[in-house]
Amino acid sequence: GAVVSQHPSRVICKSGTSVKIECRSLDFQATTMFWYRQFPKQSLMLMATSNEGSKATYEQGVEKDKFLINHASLTLSTLTVTSAHPEDSSFYICSARARNADQPQHFGDGTRLSIL
Amino acid sequence: AQSVSQHNHHVILSEAASLELGCNYSYGGTVNLFWYVQYPGQHLQLLLKYFSGDPLVKGIKGFEAEFIKSKFSFNLRKPSVQWSDTAEYFCAVSRNSGNTPLVFGKGTRLSVIA
Repeated sequence: GAVVSQHPSRVICKSGTSVKIECRSLDFQATTMFWYRQFPKQSLMLMATSNEGSKATYEQGVEKDKFLINHASLTLSTLTVTSAHPEDSSFYICSARARNADQPQHFGDGTRLSIL
Repeated sequence: AQSVSQHNHHVILSEAASLELGCNYSYGGTVNLFWYVQYPGQHLQLLLKYFSGDPLVKGIKGFEAEFIKSKFSFNLRKPSVQWSDTAEYFCAVSRNSGNTPLVFGKGTRLSVIA
């Protein structure tokens, strides 16, 4: 089945650090990738949608200057949390979908980000 | 805006009991419907999906779900749960137009006890 690889799985860093998370589709071309955030015991909240070669579309309330998304190729999207603070600590999950809109989204394993 | 409601926050069942988890959505147009499962410490996995056709959908591990358009519902069922079904279950909906993202419900935690 379709595989989405997310790296790193766990990051612990100091406040003020910028952190980059990679999301790769390993066996299919992902024209669209989604970035979600999941707080403890809560559901996944969509942060942004990125289409290959285009600027990401951010959901209301998500700061685009803080959460930089790049989708430079059909197999790679990156999320950079700039100048991270403790309130940015969360579980970040990427998802990828192939070109056909009737294909389901496939999820990465997630990245647990802890800002000290 | 589109929303997804899962009625039960936490369900506790004994092994072999039957399961039904409720899911309702608010979008009035044509939708695609999904159930995902997240086992402890693991990533989300697709259980089943509905795009069109037979409203009774069979998924993996003995799960099924029924789409009732008039009730805007897509409830998940399993006749006899096992301890290994202990997990978080998420209902998700996307509009059937373009490359729209999934909108998730808040999830239902299922605990199956021996």
